[in-house]
Amino acid sequence: KQEVTQIPAALSVPEGENLVLNCSFTDSAIYNLQWFRQDPGKGLTSLLLIQSSQREQTSGRLNASLDKSSGRSTLYIAASQPGDSATYLCAVREAAGNKLTFGGGTRVLVKP
Amino acid sequence: GAGVSQSPRYKVAKRGQDVALRCDPISGHVSLFWYQQALGQGPEFLTYFQNEAQLDKSGLPSDRFFAERPEGSVSTLKIQRTQQEDSAVYLCASSPGQGGSTDTQYFGPGTRLTVL
Repeated sequence: KQEVTQIPAALSVPEGENLVLNCSFTDSAIYNLQWFRQDPGKGLTSLLLIQSSQREQTSGRLNASLDKSSGRSTLYIAASQPGDSATYLCAVREAAGNKLTFGGGTRVLVKP
Repeated sequence: GAGVSQSPRYKVAKRGQDVALRCDPISGHVSLFWYQQALGQGPEFLTYFQNEAQLDKSGLPSDRFFAERPEGSVSTLKIQRTQQEDSAVYLCASSPGQGGSTDTQYFGPGTRLTVL
């Protein structure tokens, strides 16, 4: 059974610092991996999707890497801003089936 | 365009009551998913529809949980005889295709269910 772990569970940084969020998964037979953002009381917003054949994806200040063989992904957020404060979730989609398996999330606070 | 909408946004039920949660996916989206998110945890898969066909219900925790999507659009998640452990946020997501490698799931705001 696929298990997804995110470390740390919570992170607090001063504004301007770079953020590094880690995600690990136990079964490397994945179809793709997604990073989501969740704001309190709201649904999930997709940030980046990395296909299994890709090594990284970039969007603005966000960069996500994927090392399928070691079962790891890292989300980098450059020059953090208070508006980046949210919970970040990674999710893997396995080769068989369409469901996503989520990690527990990393709660990020960027202090002005 | 409009995103995924869910109703009600909040539901309080007494233990033993039946509840029905509604999801309106993005128009034209083929795939629809339900997830359950307990406080402080990541979402967990409940069930998946492709059009009106329920292709995967492996995540439904018990036979008290039932989902349908009769016309391949709106979906309803029904929980019978609610129990306190059913308290969670129920998230609905839709995606345009049948599961291609770039198919992104778009999530609704969720329904927060509290069972007293």
